[in-house]
Amino acid sequence: AQRVTQPEKLLSVFKGAPVELKCNYSYSGSPELFWYVQYSRQRLQLLLRHISRESIKGFTADLNKGETSFHLKKPFAQEEDSAMYYCAPGTAGGGNKLTFGTGTQLKVEL
Amino acid sequence: NAGVTQTPKFQVLKTGQSMTLQCAQDMNHEYMSWYRQDPGMGLRLIHYSVGAGITDQGEVPNGYNVSRSTTEDFPLRLLSAAPSQTSVYFCASKIGGANPNEQFFGPGTRLTVL
Repeated sequence: AQRVTQPEKLLSVFKGAPVELKCNYSYSGSPELFWYVQYSRQRLQLLLRHISRESIKGFTADLNKGETSFHLKKPFAQEEDSAMYYCAPGTAGGGNKLTFGTGTQLKVEL
Repeated sequence: NAGVTQTPKFQVLKTGQSMTLQCAQDMNHEYMSWYRQDPGMGLRLIHYSVGAGITDQGEVPNGYNVSRSTTEDFPLRLLSAAPSQTSVYFCASKIGGANPNEQFFGPGTRLTVL
């Protein structure tokens, strides 16, 4: 069965500290992985996707096929990073559905 | 472009009542879907559609019906509301094709069933 795990419900860090939001997946085939973010009172939006290998708002995520992980990282947290983050693997075909993790609430404290 | 729109923003129902949550997109996206968001459970797929006239069940379809008569609209119907359906509902759309591309989300509908 396809599964995605975000082990932390809440992650609290101080401003300027490094951030790592964990995501592990269990998928058949080769999934494509996304991170979505939901800021307070806003709709979900795409943060980044592994195939693009880009850095968005200072965040990066590397796909580690050996560990089946796609952790989201940022070297220096900012207050505006406080939000709910969802890891979402998807596979081609079959309606190309996304499976969302349970989410991690990131709180950046001053 | 308005993107993905949802109405209403808030709704309170009594157990047993029926209602329809509206979703529309103006991006000519083939793929549309409905999720519910519950604390500690993330987003769970209710129903989805890969094009007009085609719908399929997601992870938690019971108690919900959908139809897709046009590319633009994808309403979600609650036939007989139950307290367990209290949730925030999100509609999303994306372009079709074989690959899991970016999904665009609506602002959500917060539903309370008493």
